[in-house]
Amino acid sequence: DTGVSQDPRHKITKRGQNVTFRCDPISEHNRLYWYRQTLGQGPEFLTYFQNEAQLEKSRLLSDRFSAERPKGSFSTLEIQRTEQGDSAMYLCASSSGTSGRSSSYNEQFFGPGTRLTVL
Amino acid sequence: DAKTTQPNSMESNEEEPVHLPCNHSTISGTDYIHWYRQLPSQGPEYVIHGLTSNVNNRMASLAIAEDRKSSTLILHRATLRDAAVYYCILRGYNTDKLIFGTGTRLQVFP
Repeated sequence: DTGVSQDPRHKITKRGQNVTFRCDPISEHNRLYWYRQTLGQGPEFLTYFQNEAQLEKSRLLSDRFSAERPKGSFSTLEIQRTEQGDSAMYLCASSSGTSGRSSSYNEQFFGPGTRLTVL
Repeated sequence: DAKTTQPNSMESNEEEPVHLPCNHSTISGTDYIHWYRQLPSQGPEYVIHGLTSNVNNRMASLAIAEDRKSSTLILHRATLRDAAVYYCILRGYNTDKLIFGTGTRLQVFP
């Protein structure tokens, strides 16, 4: 399978704990995105990387959230001191593109998501 | 970010055509119109996109109004597998992020 993969698929944690999610993009894709989706809503953009550089962060990404893509391949999204409001599906997507230019015509390929439940 | 408006839900019978409308009256001249769909328990998947001219691909057709203030995604023959939430998204020329609305939930009946 050469699609976007995410791990774990499900995570249940207690309020106040830290959690980390991993995303492996399609291998030749240099752009990687994180979105969050709550029940009944469309996905909300959180952040994106071009190679290892984090180019944009949403205001939704509070200081408890941090994302990394250290070698320009896989990415991790960490949430510190989780709150019940963090319960959501966390989606990762990847796309190809020319460095230094936005790729408004390039499709994004989404992974299956990590469902987080904070008790 | 420019906003899109879609009906909350639509229904269709299998093998009939489906026309999913989207209004985007505040679209700018450089915004692309993208459609993604999300099948149950899956991440979104790309369907089609366009700028000014109508577009066809193996999944669907996209009809864009002359003033670009609205568009319609056309599924020529709906199948049960097309039951999903369909999102109409305006994507600026210089941005990579997708701004999703709440989309249209399409139900397909056998």
